[in-house]
Order: sequence, then structure tokens, then C-alpha cells
Amino acid sequence: AQSVTQLGSHVSVSEGALVLLRCNYSSSVPPYLFWYVQYPNQGLQLLLKYTTGATLVKGINGFEAEFKKSETSFHLTKPSAHMSDAAEYFCAVRPGSGNTGKLIFGQGTTLQVKP
Amino acid sequence: SAVISQKPSRDICQRGTSLTIQCQVDSQVTMMFWYRQQPGQSLTLIATANQGSEATYESGFVIDKFPISRPNLTFSTLTVSNMSPEDSSIYLCSGRNDYGYTFGSGTRLTVV
Repeated sequence: AQSVTQLGSHVSVSEGALVLLRCNYSSSVPPYLFWYVQYPNQGLQLLLKYTTGATLVKGINGFEAEFKKSETSFHLTKPSAHMSDAAEYFCAVRPGSGNTGKLIFGQGTTLQVKP
Repeated sequence: SAVISQKPSRDICQRGTSLTIQCQVDSQVTMMFWYRQQPGQSLTLIATANQGSEATYESGFVIDKFPISRPNLTFSTLTVSNMSPEDSSIYLCSGRNDYGYTFGSGTRLTVV
């Protein structure tokens, strides 16, 4: 079965520091991969996605992620954290086979940004 | 991308009653989905809402508890039936079109 694992339910960084949120997936066929952000009491906002092509994907708000097939990973990074980045982040996969279009989400990572 | 209006945004309900949540999309989407997000947890797919036919439910979710309608390509409802405190959660709808996925802002349900 397809699954998504986000390592670290809570990540704390200082403002201006590197942000690294980890995501690994299990899939026998290369999937589509997504990162979403959720601010308190709001829905999910797409940060970036990987479908095909270039493995380094740039998203909104300075975030980027790299698809590494050999490591089955899709880690999210941002060079310099801002206070406004504090939120819940979800990695999601749309399986590449038996595609019903549904997304499978990881457990989520809460990012705390300290002044 | 499409914009989804989800209503109500929150509600407090008595156990044993039912609540219907509505999602209206501002453009046609090929697929719609309903998720549950329990406090501090991730999103769990309840079902895929199919236009003009019965929804497809995930393991652990049944139609009698979570009846879903999707009369057209821009609208869907989820009913949480015979509620108990364990149903307290955030419920989100999602739509998918050629450009990707979009999500409603969620319904925060508290059952007392």
C-alpha cells in the first residue's frame, strides 16, 4: 500500500535559519508528490508539486523540494525561515498506479520559528 | 485554480443528530473528495464523491454514517449522521481539475 512518512512531528528553527522538512514515500511506481501548508483554522494551500521532469521543484514563499527517486524522498527546504512560515506542513502523494486521483497525506510537521 | 466555499465553518451539535456540510466550487472539477482531520493529526480520506453515482468509501467509512451527494460537477455534500463525540473533527472537501487540487477551508465540528 502507498504511504507517506514525515520524519519529525515538530521542527523548531530560528528566524533566518535553514528549514528542512523531511518526507519519504513508498510507491512501486513514481508518484506525483505535493507539499501543502495549513495555517490555523484554514484549509490547505499548495506550496509545490512534482509530477514529471525536473526533480528540483520551486514553490511559493521561497520553498523548494527535490524528488530523489533512489531515496524515495521529497524533502522540503527553505534557505531562510521567516516568522510567517510557522504553520503545519503536509507531504502528500498521488500514487502513480491504480490512479483514483486521491491523495495520501503524511502525518504532518509543525514548524515553529523562533525570533 | 478553483476556489471552494465550504459551509458551515464550524458547528456544535448534540449527539445523535446529523450535520450536512456543503462544498461549492467556482468551476467544474473532475473529482471531489472528503477528508477528516482529527485534532493534531493528518488528513484521512473518507470517500471520493462521484457525480451522479454512489460515493466510493475508504476502509473504515460507510455510507450509512457518512452519506455523500454530488449532483453536479461543482457541488457536493457530506452528512455526518447519528453523531457521537468521537466524530468531533475537522472535515475538509477537496476538488481536482486539470490544474491540480484545491481544498475548502474546513468545517470544525464539535459533538457534545
